Amino acid sequence: ETGVTQTPRHLVMGMTNKKSLKCEQHLGHNAMYWYKQSAKKPLELMFVYNFKEQTENNSVPSRFSPECPNSSHLFLHLHTLQPEDSALYLCASSQDPTSGQETQYFGPGTRLLVL
Amino acid sequence: AQSVTQPDIHITVSEGASLELRCNYSYGATPYLFWYVQSPGQGLQLLLKYFSGDTLVQGIKGFEAEFKRSQSSFNLRKPSVHWSDAAEYFCAVVPAPSGNTGKLIFGQGTTLQVKP
Repeated sequence: ETGVTQTPRHLVMGMTNKKSLKCEQHLGHNAMYWYKQSAKKPLELMFVYNFKEQTENNSVPSRFSPECPNSSHLFLHLHTLQPEDSALYLCASSQDPTSGQETQYFGPGTRLLVL
Repeated sequence: AQSVTQPDIHITVSEGASLELRCNYSYGATPYLFWYVQSPGQGLQLLLKYFSGDTLVQGIKGFEAEFKRSQSSFNLRKPSVHWSDAAEYFCAVVPAPSGNTGKLIFGQGTTLQVKP
């Protein structure tokens, strides 16, 4: 248990569906992250939020829409996804991303399958 | 191009044997260096990290890593592997030193299998 929870753990959706992934951290951190982990590819950073403000968008398609209402919660809204978006989506948090030295604490991920 | 390379995609060792996982980086300045482990069905957990100072870094679960500037490497080692070490291991960097947004750049990962 790392203090970062993600729901749901598994999700199957059609290409026309709209769904949301939820992440919650109980560590009192200020920064939260979304990563995509695809088979045979390195983990890819998608978004970074620091004090609820988005500080990094790694050229992510607009069909992925993040939301960070407060420092403890992070959502990833999904709509009109493609089969190649099937992956494990990991959420992480840290205290202060600007130092570059922070440990990031990861949740267990949401396994997404797009049909 | 800036990159993090883990040359070994898959490694199999016998329980009790020593282990070394390789990591090379390609950045102009020495980045901040990390090793994470991902057990099946779980998120990533930090094993150790290096920013400066002593080039031999001790981590959790009996792991250590050595930074070698001349080789642009940060290899992970363990003297005696346990079956519970079977997992995927990721080397990662934060390009130093300024303008950080927490962007971790990961290698492709090395899957470790442990034989009884």
